[in-house]
Amino acid sequence: NAGVTQTPKFRVLKTGQSMTLLCAQDMNHEYMYWYRQDPGMGLRLIHYSVGEGTTAKGEVPDGYNVSRLKKQNFLLGLESAAPSQTSVYFCASSYQGQGAITLHFGNGTRLTVT
Amino acid sequence: GQQVMQIPQYQHVQEGEDFTTYCNSSTTLSNIQWYKQRPGGHPVFLIQLVKSGEVKKQKRLTFQFGEAKKNSSLHITATQTTDVGTYFCAGLPRGSQGNLIFGKGTKLSVKP
Repeated sequence: NAGVTQTPKFRVLKTGQSMTLLCAQDMNHEYMYWYRQDPGMGLRLIHYSVGEGTTAKGEVPDGYNVSRLKKQNFLLGLESAAPSQTSVYFCASSYQGQGAITLHFGNGTRLTVT
Repeated sequence: GQQVMQIPQYQHVQEGEDFTTYCNSSTTLSNIQWYKQRPGGHPVFLIQLVKSGEVKKQKRLTFQFGEAKKNSSLHITATQTTDVGTYFCAGLPRGSQGNLIFGKGTKLSVKP
């Protein structure tokens, strides 16, 4: 049982480059989330999805886009990377809303933008 | 905006000492959850508290939810080196259809 799988684990980008982070879950969860974690800042929600084909903005959505074409996958895109987007990115899923069910996190993607 | 404040930011203890981290919300919460993140790892769910004044225990860990459902604490008795990591609280504002608000975490280090 893989749970939540993120790829890649590490990535270095130059300013202005684009990339997509992939999150896949095999738990049939409806809800999926993308967070970023920076030192001393905790976990901040970027975007989330309450079901296939739906997405919504979180606390820090600027500079990111997401897509949920399949229930098991949630993609996070950076169209033009900036050094401020250097961070550790975590994907998470839950099978109901956050009020009822806990978050299952992936192992994270460490992104450096130079 | 709605915030969940968590203190202290860092805590260094000698193995065997107790440890407590506190969370305070600017608004009343429906529930609060606690997560642990080991160094280099990802957050892992520990527990959820829902009722006013609720107290739950997991071995050496004791979790409390305040009567007003605006604050919570995690207490570890007799810390061990395996307790090292960052502990996060995450609250869901009452009446909100939105998402959990995470505290910034307390990083615990344990000296053997």
